[in-house]
Amino acid sequence: QKEVEQDPGPLSVPEGAIVSLNCTYSNSAFQYFMWYRQYSRKGPELLMYTYSSGNKEDGRFTAQVDKSSKYISLFIRDSQPSDSATYLCAMSAISNTNAGKSTFGDGTTLTVKP
Amino acid sequence: GAVVSQHPSWVICKSGTSVKIECRSLDFQATTMFWYRQFPKQSLMLMATSNEGSKATYEQGVEKDKFLINHASLTLSTLTVTSAHPEDSSFYICSAELIGELFFGEGSRLTVL
Repeated sequence: QKEVEQDPGPLSVPEGAIVSLNCTYSNSAFQYFMWYRQYSRKGPELLMYTYSSGNKEDGRFTAQVDKSSKYISLFIRDSQPSDSATYLCAMSAISNTNAGKSTFGDGTTLTVKP
Repeated sequence: GAVVSQHPSWVICKSGTSVKIECRSLDFQATTMFWYRQFPKQSLMLMATSNEGSKATYEQGVEKDKFLINHASLTLSTLTVTSAHPEDSSFYICSAELIGELFFGEGSRLTVL
């Protein structure tokens, strides 16, 4: 069993929809949670970073962490065609100075249709 | 944000040849860089941690003689795939840390014929 499970999708929604992307994990030691966006044939870019349970909002994006359930989510409000990409969750059990050793989910491919 | 540049973005080579991929931090110094491999529709798999001025640390199952990593300066790390074979065809991505945040290169797609 993988330490991080992420539904690969693909997920297709109409423009303006609210998107929910989710990951579950099994390692209780994970303390840092990240969401990356990866466009086709490009490297990932960090969207959100959080280390506590609860919600963190940044513009149209909200990251939610539930450590008791070992479940994290990324919500995208008012989705746009430019949001079409693969979204990767990532988790780390150690200090963020070792972010490069995070465990990544397989990614969920999202398509937002105009 | 900080910029990490990777070159080449796409390379095709014959089986048995070696290929070098460069990863540069353009506007910051990075004592540590990371190399990943990503197969289609799969996650990033960490291959090794590249440390400036010292030997790279390889993840379990990654052949260090196959994937040579050199981090000769604070802005450049190179990954050389030696004696490449078709099964080495993949998307190779590097990243560098700056104040705890990872910045990724654009990736290099290697196709070995």
